[in-house]
Amino acid sequence: DGGITQSPKYLFRKEGQNVTLSCEQNLNHDAMYWYRQDPGQGLRLIYYSQIVNDFQKGDIAEGYSVSREKKESFPLTVTSAQKNPTAFYLCASSIRDGPQHFGDGTRLSIL
Amino acid sequence: ELKVEQNPLFLSMQEGKNYTIYCNYSTTSDRLYWYRQDPGKSLESLFVLLSNGAVKQEGRLMASLDTKARLSTLHITAAVHDLSATYFCAVSIEGSARQLTFGSGTQLTVLP
Repeated sequence: DGGITQSPKYLFRKEGQNVTLSCEQNLNHDAMYWYRQDPGQGLRLIYYSQIVNDFQKGDIAEGYSVSREKKESFPLTVTSAQKNPTAFYLCASSIRDGPQHFGDGTRLSIL
Repeated sequence: ELKVEQNPLFLSMQEGKNYTIYCNYSTTSDRLYWYRQDPGKSLESLFVLLSNGAVKQEGRLMASLDTKARLSTLHITAAVHDLSATYFCAVSIEGSARQLTFGSGTQLTVLP
């Protein structure tokens, strides 16, 4: 079955720690995206990538970093510079001009 | 800056009733999406609307797009409990690498 896999489902971060959220897709999609969702709000774009080895900042990129070394993978690192990381993180992918398909999300909390 | 506004933000309705969710956006767009999200879950794509006057229907949900008014509506007909969820509209602009700007969502509760 084709789809988007995010892991882990739940993640806890200590103060001053970087954590990495995984996103893998086997849909052969060129474009991948990371969104942040806070309770009761819509999604905000963190980073996106249209092709391998290229990515662009979204609306709220500060405190986050990404890489796109393989077409299938688009990991997101939440750095210690992100002072309010508690949120639900969603990864998505799409073909060019197609609708975005979302993974099941990772819920990040601070210890 | 593209802004997307949904209303209402919260909607309680009784089973069997009809209602409409509105989505306004601030900049010319060529593509509008509707998504459904169940509590604690991911987003499920419902509709993609590509042109002025576009109308799409799936079961009790019907979405339409008026690009001149920069308005999309999601109409619910004869609501049932299974439709309880949060509904988001999202807009993309041609040439923007299909970045999506989301509305705040409408939390729909269908009461028996």
